[in-house]
Amino acid sequence: GAGVSQSPSNKVTEKGKDVELRCDPISGHTALYWYRQSLGQGLEFLIYFQGNSAPDKSGLPSDRFSAERTGGSVSTLTIQRTQQEDSAVYLCASSTQTGSGSEKLFFGSGTQLSVL
Amino acid sequence: QKEVEQDPGPLSVPEGAIVSLNCTYSNSAFQYFMWYRQYSRKGPELLMYTYSSGNKEDGRFTAQVDKSSKYISLFIRDSQPSDSATYLCAMFYGNNRLAFGKGNQVVVIP
Repeated sequence: GAGVSQSPSNKVTEKGKDVELRCDPISGHTALYWYRQSLGQGLEFLIYFQGNSAPDKSGLPSDRFSAERTGGSVSTLTIQRTQQEDSAVYLCASSTQTGSGSEKLFFGSGTQLSVL
Repeated sequence: QKEVEQDPGPLSVPEGAIVSLNCTYSNSAFQYFMWYRQYSRKGPELLMYTYSSGNKEDGRFTAQVDKSSKYISLFIRDSQPSDSATYLCAMFYGNNRLAFGKGNQVVVIP
């Protein structure tokens, strides 16, 4: 596609439920990132995928969060047993660079997650 | 202390005014400096990208980096209502992640 696509755009769930958020990166982009944007908190790094390398999971806030990337393309972020503090906009980004130092990220429009 | 500090206060200016935004950072390893623009309900989009100290211009936008002071700025000349958005600074030193500031919401009043 022309840009990074994320779905759903909005997700309302009840506390304790599991949710899956999907990201379809720009075709040909080898790097994929997940960020979380909370009100007044800026963007928080969650996880990074690069090709077939092991992902950098160092930003995941707890073991309730996990992500996978299938076939080097589509990625799914899963949050288990959601809590109210998980409410935020979850942004996915992709890029063509490989950590050489000049990453230019292209972001999707995000998924607004609301946990009631 | 956070790696990147950006005073998140909103900024309202009349159309045609100069908008001045800035960030400070603590990690001297940062080498790449960016400004992203984010419209409401959209993801951030890359606006400006600089590597070295000094100024970089692109149309009405100027990005300024002062590595000795660990300070970066973004100037928007002749501001337009279409410039109303949140502006986030971001920095990178090759560890696969960008460090972002909290963002400034800018409103340009016609």
